Amino acid sequence: QQQVKQSPQSLIVQKGGISIINCAYENTAFDYFPWYQQFPGKGPALLIAIRPDVSEKKEGRFTISFNKSAKQFSLHIMDSQPGDSATYFCAASYNTDKLIFGTGTRLQVFP
Amino acid sequence: NAGVTQTPKFQVLKTGQSMTLQCAQDMNHEYMSWYRQDPGMGLRLIHYSVGAGITDQGEVPNGYNVSRSTTEDFPLRLLSAAPSQTSVYFCASSSPGGEEEAFFGQGTRLTVV
Repeated sequence: QQQVKQSPQSLIVQKGGISIINCAYENTAFDYFPWYQQFPGKGPALLIAIRPDVSEKKEGRFTISFNKSAKQFSLHIMDSQPGDSATYFCAASYNTDKLIFGTGTRLQVFP
Repeated sequence: NAGVTQTPKFQVLKTGQSMTLQCAQDMNHEYMSWYRQDPGMGLRLIHYSVGAGITDQGEVPNGYNVSRSTTEDFPLRLLSAAPSQTSVYFCASSSPGGEEEAFFGQGTRLTVV
């Protein structure tokens, strides 16, 4: 049973465009929703995170949109750059110790 | 500040062999966990620990053992390696509460032949 569903599996965006990755969760007890970024050969690293008491969180070019009633959240990357090319994972937990991850999205940004 | 250190980085095992993947963190984090990463399947939780002496199973625990004798170390043991355990393994640590991020190691790429 996949508790966190992520789409799309891969995404190709032109430089300067907007990248959007979507996730849906099932467990209403989840109260922490991070996004992790992973470059080839490296471990995942926290990019941005949100709790369900807010509907949006922005850090630079990265924004999380959160819809509690729909049990969905998404990552928006504005002005996408070639350096953003990586694999992105959404995750959810009710304690930061036990993260449940989505299946990942491979983003490629072409100049 | 080393963060989370995993050893080895690469390993090839023969079917039936046993080995231990090492994980150490220097951030005094209470929580540590092991994930495996397979193409198209994301990161799946194998085992986790909420503190020294306390461990619990995650989503895919079969074939793996863990122990947590100290806060710093959380080794993962493969009892009898199988080709299905070919994967990239990541160790992570974090502190409870607030918006504490999980810090991941660089990973161990394991191939079982």
